[in-house]
Amino acid sequence: AQKITQTQPGMFVQEKEAVTLDCTYDTSDQSYGLFWYKQPSSGEMIFLIYQGSYDEQNATEGRYSLNFQKARKSANLVISASQLGDSAMYFCAMRDTIQGAQKLVFGQGTRLTINP
Amino acid sequence: GAGVSQSPSNKVTEKGKDVELRCDPISGHTALYWYRQSLGQGLEFLIYFQGNSAPDKSGLPSDRFSAERTGGSVSTLTIQRTQQEDSAVYLCASSLVSIGLYSGNTIYFGEGSWLTVV
Repeated sequence: AQKITQTQPGMFVQEKEAVTLDCTYDTSDQSYGLFWYKQPSSGEMIFLIYQGSYDEQNATEGRYSLNFQKARKSANLVISASQLGDSAMYFCAMRDTIQGAQKLVFGQGTRLTINP
Repeated sequence: GAGVSQSPSNKVTEKGKDVELRCDPISGHTALYWYRQSLGQGLEFLIYFQGNSAPDKSGLPSDRFSAERTGGSVSTLTIQRTQQEDSAVYLCASSLVSIGLYSGNTIYFGEGSWLTVV
């Protein structure tokens, strides 16, 4: 089974600074995908960015980029020029298949607070 | 609708009562997922549907929990004889087929049903 580890329970960053949220994973699969989701206080899970294990380039989506280091099994999320609206919980996840069931396995999350 | 729709958005129920939570996935999405999130915690996988069938129900916490999906669309999660530890946000999600290696098959979540058992 896959496992996701997010070691930062909380982070505090000044507005306009860049921030890196850590994610490490454990898998024996050769092909896999990694996802990042944002969960604001409203509770909705918002998809941010995806990285496939065979993608040669690090994924980028606007201010979000993924620092993918396959050998280290890490997939850190980088948010550039942080904004107050970035304050939220952030979850790293990867696909798992157990007994024919497809699902995403999530880390415990990092609570990001952007200070003005 | 444009996104995953869940109802009710909030539910307060007395211990011992049954509750039903409904999920309407994105049109055309064949895969549907239920997750549970307790306060301040990560997401706990409950069950996955591919069409109307659920290949694996082992994520359901107890036999008080059941889920069904009809017509390959709407799903209902039922909790019988609710307990206080059932209080959580129940999140439903859907994806185009099943989670694949491509972002186009990513999983999209609804806003959740906040359940409080008193």
